[in-house]
Amino acid sequence: DQQVKQNSPSLSVQEGRISILNCDYTNSMFDYFLWYKKYPAEGPTFLISISSIKDKNEDGRFTVFLNKSAKHLSLHIVPSQPGDSAVYFCAAFQGGSEKLVFGKGTKLTVNP
Amino acid sequence: DVKVTQSSRYLVKRTGEKVFLECVQDMDHENMFWYRQDPGLGLRLIYFSYDVKMKEKGDIPEGYSVSREKKERFSLILESASTNQTSMYLCASTLQGADTQYFGPGTRLTVL
Repeated sequence: DQQVKQNSPSLSVQEGRISILNCDYTNSMFDYFLWYKKYPAEGPTFLISISSIKDKNEDGRFTVFLNKSAKHLSLHIVPSQPGDSAVYFCAAFQGGSEKLVFGKGTKLTVNP
Repeated sequence: DVKVTQSSRYLVKRTGEKVFLECVQDMDHENMFWYRQDPGLGLRLIYFSYDVKMKEKGDIPEGYSVSREKKERFSLILESASTNQTSMYLCASTLQGADTQYFGPGTRLTVL
């Protein structure tokens, strides 16, 4: 049973526009959420995170929104750049656990 | 800066061979993880370790074993490699809890 779902396998946007990547989760005990970015032939790198006590966290061009009632989070990239083209993984963590639960990823392509 | 290194970037092995994948982290992290990444399946946890000589099965441990004799080193062992173990293998570490995991560059293993 998939606890973290990224329902869009791919997303294509134009350079300069907004990219919105979505993630849904089923476990209401998750209290920390992360986004990772992965280029081909490289390991994932941490991008941004949000605690369940917040509904928004911003870092430069990247903003993560959390809607706990809907069990939904989203990553906004504004403005999108060609270098943002990568696979983005959403991950969730439950306090007391040692494990992150990952979604299957969304491949973002930013076209020049 | 945290550094997680993996012994090989690319590896080609034959069916039935015993395969060792090594991971080393230099930040005195307690927890280490082994994942495999496959297209459309995202990151799947194979095994993790929260202390020296301690290990726990992840979501897909079958066909794999692990060893953690020293805190900085976590090895993944394929006892008898099979073609369905052809994949990208990613090692990660974190200080405690799941928190932010730091990933190595990955090992692309091909089993012929």
